[in-house]
Amino acid sequence: GQNIDQPTEMTATEGAIVQINCTYQTSGFNGLFWYQQHAGEAPTFLSYNVLDGLEEKGRFSSFLSRSKGYSYLLLKELQMKDSASYLCAVRDSNYQLIWGAGTKLIIKP
Amino acid sequence: ETGVTQTPRHLVMGMTNKKSLKCEQHLGHNAMYWYKQSAKKPLELMFVYNFKEQTENNSVPSRFSPECPNSSHLFLHLHTLQPEDSALYLCASSPSGGEADTQYFGPGTRLTVL
Repeated sequence: GQNIDQPTEMTATEGAIVQINCTYQTSGFNGLFWYQQHAGEAPTFLSYNVLDGLEEKGRFSSFLSRSKGYSYLLLKELQMKDSASYLCAVRDSNYQLIWGAGTKLIIKP
Repeated sequence: ETGVTQTPRHLVMGMTNKKSLKCEQHLGHNAMYWYKQSAKKPLELMFVYNFKEQTENNSVPSRFSPECPNSSHLFLHLHTLQPEDSALYLCASSPSGGEADTQYFGPGTRLTVL
């Protein structure tokens, strides 16, 4: 079967750095997405990785290793507004998105 | 108005009611999606429309009936639902449903079935 694993919940301190991991087992791979979802709001697109390596976008970076079936989202200089759920999704060989259950990130002052 | 909008934002219905959820996208996209989001579970893809044609139906019970009259509008008609159908129903759109597509989501309809 297809599976996306990410931690259920993480806690970090304002101003710090946090890394949210995502591991996947899917039938084929055609890219990995990270989305941010604040409570009661729409998931919003953060990043897309299809090749190995690090993609940096401001305070957020996303890393991919296809050989390890592994990605992480790195958030720097954490702000209170970064408290949200972070969803990892992989596009499989049929171009279907397979979703993880999301990681709830709690930022403390 | 921009992006993807959904109405209503909240809906409470009995098991014998009939209701409809509406989604509209203002992005000029050609693919639209319905997802179900339950607490602490992955997003479940329900239906996909590409250029108004249904291309995916992931074994969704017939009490959920989608309609896509044009590439900007998507409906989900609900009838004789069960309490376990209570969830957040998200609509999304993407340019073409193709390889490098990114999906853009609406805020969802929080559905409670009594």
